[in-house]
Amino acid sequence: EAQVTQNPRYLITVTGKKLTVTCSQNMNHEYMSWYRQDPGLGLRQIYYSMNVEVTDKGDVPEGYKVSRKEKRNFPLILESPSPNQTSLYFCASSFRGGSYNEQFFGPGTRLTVL
Amino acid sequence: TQLLEQSPQFLSIQEGENLTVYCNSSSVFSSLQWYRQEPGEGPVLLVTVVTGGEVKKLKRLTFQFGDARKDSSLHITAAQTGDTGLYLCAGPGSNYKLTFGKGTLLTVNP
Repeated sequence: EAQVTQNPRYLITVTGKKLTVTCSQNMNHEYMSWYRQDPGLGLRQIYYSMNVEVTDKGDVPEGYKVSRKEKRNFPLILESPSPNQTSLYFCASSFRGGSYNEQFFGPGTRLTVL
Repeated sequence: TQLLEQSPQFLSIQEGENLTVYCNSSSVFSSLQWYRQEPGEGPVLLVTVVTGGEVKKLKRLTFQFGDARKDSSLHITAAQTGDTGLYLCAGPGSNYKLTFGKGTLLTVNP
C-alpha cells in the first residue's frame, strides 16, 4: 500500500531533550516536506527536500533540522525542544516539487514539550 | 511570502444545504489545490486547478479558479454529514515552497 508513515504518533517530552520524528514513504517520491499545524495558524511548512541531499527552509524552520540521506526517509530533528514547539506535525511527499503535484500526507505526530 | 486567506473560518450547516467557501490572495498563483482533512488524519487532495476561470466538478463538489488566478472557491451541493472536515487551499510559493490557507472547518449536522 502506498503510504507515508511517521513515528512516533504521540510524544511527550521535556524542554531540551533532543528528539527525532521519523518519516518514510514507499512511493519513490522526490519531494518530501514537514509541516506543523497549530490552531489559528493553519499548516505551515518547516523544511522541504527536493531530492536526496537537497533540503531547504520553509516558512518556520527555526529550532528544527532535517536530513535526506535516502530517498525514502526524511527525519525531523529537534535538537533542543521548547514548549513553543508543541504542535501537530505532518510529513508529506509528492512525485516532484512545484505546482500540480499531489501531496501525500502521513497520519501526523502530536508532540508535547513540557 | 504569498498568503492565502480562507473564509469563512467556521461553517455549521444542516444536511441538504448548499455552501460555498473561499480562498483568496493578493498574489497570482500558477495553480491552487484543495485538500480535506478529517479529525486525526492528514489532509487528502481533492483537486488541483490550473487555468484561470477553470471549473472542476467532483460529484457534489464544484471548484472554481478565478480568472486572474488569485482566488478560488469550493461549492458543495446538498451537503452530507460525510462532508464534515477541514477544507484547506494550498498554492506553490517561491523555491518550491507550498503555502496553505488556515482552512474552513465545516460541520454538517444531520
